[in-house]
Amino acid sequence: AQSVSQHNHHVILSEAASLELGCNYSYGGTVNLFWYVQYPGQHLQLLLKYFSGDPLVKGIKGFEAEFIKSKFSFNLRKPSVQWSDTAEYFCAVIYNQGGKLIFGQGTELSVKP
Amino acid sequence: ETGVTQSPTHLIKTRGQQVTLRCSSQSGHNTVSWYQQALGQGPQFIFQYYREEENGRGNFPPRFSGLQFPNYSSELNVNALELDDSALYLCASSLGTSGRSSYNEQFFGPGTRLTVL
Repeated sequence: AQSVSQHNHHVILSEAASLELGCNYSYGGTVNLFWYVQYPGQHLQLLLKYFSGDPLVKGIKGFEAEFIKSKFSFNLRKPSVQWSDTAEYFCAVIYNQGGKLIFGQGTELSVKP
Repeated sequence: ETGVTQSPTHLIKTRGQQVTLRCSSQSGHNTVSWYQQALGQGPQFIFQYYREEENGRGNFPPRFSGLQFPNYSSELNVNALELDDSALYLCASSLGTSGRSSYNEQFFGPGTRLTVL
């Protein structure tokens, strides 16, 4: 079955620490990959996406993600987090050019000032 | 350009009732997708509408139905509400072509929080 798994439910970091959030997806054909963020009280926003080409993609606010096809992974990274990065982060996949996003269960990130 | 809007913001219903949720898509978008997000979970795809036709459906029973109007706004209807239907319902709009909108970013609305008692 097509599915997305995020390894951590809740991550707590201090400001300036480095961040890596794991995301793995099941095999199911060609994939388009996304990371969405939901800040407290706000709606889901797209951080970055991968469709093809360079497997290292850069998004907004200093985030980047690396697509490793052999590992079915699309981990999100940021070298130095800020308090304002406190939010819930969702990895999502579209399989075989279909229209539906399949989301992971989300990772809540808390950054201590 | 205006973003995706949803109404109402919050709704409380009792088991067995019916509910209609509404979504106005972003200007220029012709595709609307609906998702259910239970507490502590990621959004789950309900269905998608492209130019007033259903264009894909997730694992939800037939009592979840929808409509898309000529102005591309959309409704989600849920009949015979159950306690497990309590969730945040998200609408996302995008610009699709030829029935496939996967390459176009889906812009999400703020959601409708439905509580079923």
